[in-house]
Amino acid sequence: GAVVSQHPSWVICKSGTSVKIECRSLDFQATTMFWYRQFPKQSLMLMATSNEGSKATYEQGVEKDKFLINHASLTLSTLTVTSAHPEDSSFYICSAQRQGAVYEQYFGPGTRLTVT
Amino acid sequence: DAKTTQPPSMDCAEGRAANLPCNHSTISGNEYVYWYRQIHSQGPQYIIHGLKNNETNEMASLIITEDRKSSTLILPHATLRDTAVYYCIVRLTGANSKLTFGKGITLSVRP
Repeated sequence: GAVVSQHPSWVICKSGTSVKIECRSLDFQATTMFWYRQFPKQSLMLMATSNEGSKATYEQGVEKDKFLINHASLTLSTLTVTSAHPEDSSFYICSAQRQGAVYEQYFGPGTRLTVT
Repeated sequence: DAKTTQPPSMDCAEGRAANLPCNHSTISGNEYVYWYRQIHSQGPQYIIHGLKNNETNEMASLIITEDRKSSTLILPHATLRDTAVYYCIVRLTGANSKLTFGKGITLSVRP
């Protein structure tokens, strides 16, 4: 159990276009999901916390108008990178939190975004 | 800033135990110790967590010192597939509690 999927696994887009990444919890409900970004040879950096039915909470320095997050159901959160630029090229990873005694987080496999 | 410190890297021989240390001297009483690992170009994988007692599951054992200022993750019989970056994280529990990733320790398992 506790499987999280992401789609697509990789995407190449042109500068100025928008890209949507989906994160799904397949076998549990997640009222909270998190979005991370990871640049090469660096650690994961939390971008935002997404709660079902409410606005996301963004970390300092993350542009909320550029990285649109929607958490419309208990099993789906989406991240849309708007007006993408080459510097947005990165590995985007989501995690879904399963409710329980310690609120464990389970991660998706990641989405590799390349902006040309 | 991450609240844990780990050596940057270590290696071990296949089939031997891998003992990965972590210091968390500023841990508070209600923070758990979590371990995740990340194999190249994949999402992190949950390994184990604990509060103050030692824990064991099918993947690993977690030994937490009595003062809770450090811990050790033990992979009892390392395989080549255990080569990864291992992250030790301290975290409060709660609905919006964050995982803050440091640099982790790169474990290389050699044949």
